[in-house]
Amino acid sequence: ELQLVESGGGLVQPGGSLRLSCAASGFNIDDYAMHWVRQAPGKGLEWVSGIIWNSGNIGYADSVKGRFTMSRDNAKNFLYLQMNSLRAEDTALYYCAKDISSGSYYRLVFGMDVWGQGTTVTVSS
Amino acid sequence: QSVLTQPPSVSGAPGQRVTISCTGSNSNIGAGYDVYWYQQLPGTAPKLVVSGHSNRPSGVPDRFSGSKSGSSASLAITGLQAEDEAVYYCQSFDSSGSGVFGGGTRLTVL
Repeated sequence: ELQLVESGGGLVQPGGSLRLSCAASGFNIDDYAMHWVRQAPGKGLEWVSGIIWNSGNIGYADSVKGRFTMSRDNAKNFLYLQMNSLRAEDTALYYCAKDISSGSYYRLVFGMDVWGQGTTVTVSS
Repeated sequence: QSVLTQPPSVSGAPGQRVTISCTGSNSNIGAGYDVYWYQQLPGTAPKLVVSGHSNRPSGVPDRFSGSKSGSSASLAITGLQAEDEAVYYCQSFDSSGSGVFGGGTRLTVL
């Protein structure tokens, strides 16, 4: 069974940092692009960041650019999201998702066919 | 405000056909990038139901289909069933380098 399990969420003060992790099982992530997608309470889905199979192309939403850093460890089958300078508007459920494609320098995002259950990040004083 | 525009809600009676629209621009759907559709039931993660040109992942019934024309796309659900009640999102790629989602459409089965 293909599975993604996120961890690392929690309550953090504005300006603080968190590192999210995503453990994949049932498949090798080095064949696929991977993404982080978030959903604020009661709101829709927002693509946050994506990374192609070999880390040769990494992209970010404008809302997080310069503050968040995405990385992957294909040997460990793990995905990471380092979140710095957190703001109240970053409060959301953060999902890890597998792309249907390996991605390329020219195209980072296709569709997402495997999703984790999410980890909650709350930014509040 | 989402890059892709969807109606906030649609509804239909059991057995009917409903469509959900998704409008983009020349930098995403209109640029030829595929559109993907997700179903999100309350309290659960999104689930891919239509991929690209109406491809369905294993286990998704053929009542779900997608189409695209110009800068817009649509999801059609035929033979509406109570278990189809959910929020549906469209998603594509933008030439700016980002993934983009629609704001979501709540489907109510009357």
